[in-house]
Amino acid sequence: KNQVEQSPQSLIILEGKNCTLQCNYTVSPFSNLRWYKQDTGRGPVSLTIMTFSENTKSNGRYTATLDADTKQSSLHITASQLSDSASYICVVSASSNTGKLIFGQGTTLQVKP
Amino acid sequence: DAGVTQSPTHLIKTRGQQVTLRCSPKSGHDTVSWYQQALGQGPQFIFQYYEEEERQRGNFPDRFSGHQFPNYSSELNVNALLLGDSALYLCASSSQGAYTDTQYFGPGTRLTVL
Repeated sequence: KNQVEQSPQSLIILEGKNCTLQCNYTVSPFSNLRWYKQDTGRGPVSLTIMTFSENTKSNGRYTATLDADTKQSSLHITASQLSDSASYICVVSASSNTGKLIFGQGTTLQVKP
Repeated sequence: DAGVTQSPTHLIKTRGQQVTLRCSPKSGHDTVSWYQQALGQGPQFIFQYYEEEERQRGNFPDRFSGHQFPNYSSELNVNALLLGDSALYLCASSSQGAYTDTQYFGPGTRLTVL
């Protein structure tokens, strides 16, 4: 069964600190992995997208890594800001279904002053 | 360049009623996917439309149906509403042909079934 699991479920950090979110997947065949940021009650916004040949990609203070062998990904947030408070969702696309995305449950991040 | 738009933003219905949600894709996109997101959960794929046809479908009952128009906009219809249908319904658009296609999400429609 194609699944995407994220950890931790929730996280609280102080403003200015770094954090790392984890994503493990069992989707096969694999096409690409995306990280989305979703503010409460809003649609997800894409942060990064990586294919199997890419092992790291950055978007400002966000850096995603991918290990296609172990089927793991991480999202590292540097120098967190209050506006980083949101849910971060790991999404995997299977090669056989270019439109069907498999979503993780998300990690809820709260950044406190 | 308009992004993905959805209407209405909020909707309240009662059990047994029918509802229609609407989505306009991002300019240049021809594919629309619909997702249901329950509170505290990740989005669940409902179905995808391309060239006015349903291409793929997730594990949702036939009460969920859709349509895509020649201008690529789309509707999601839900019949015989249940309390469990209360959720944020997200529409995402993309363009076929790109290997690493990126779906752009709309702001969602919050449906509450009483």
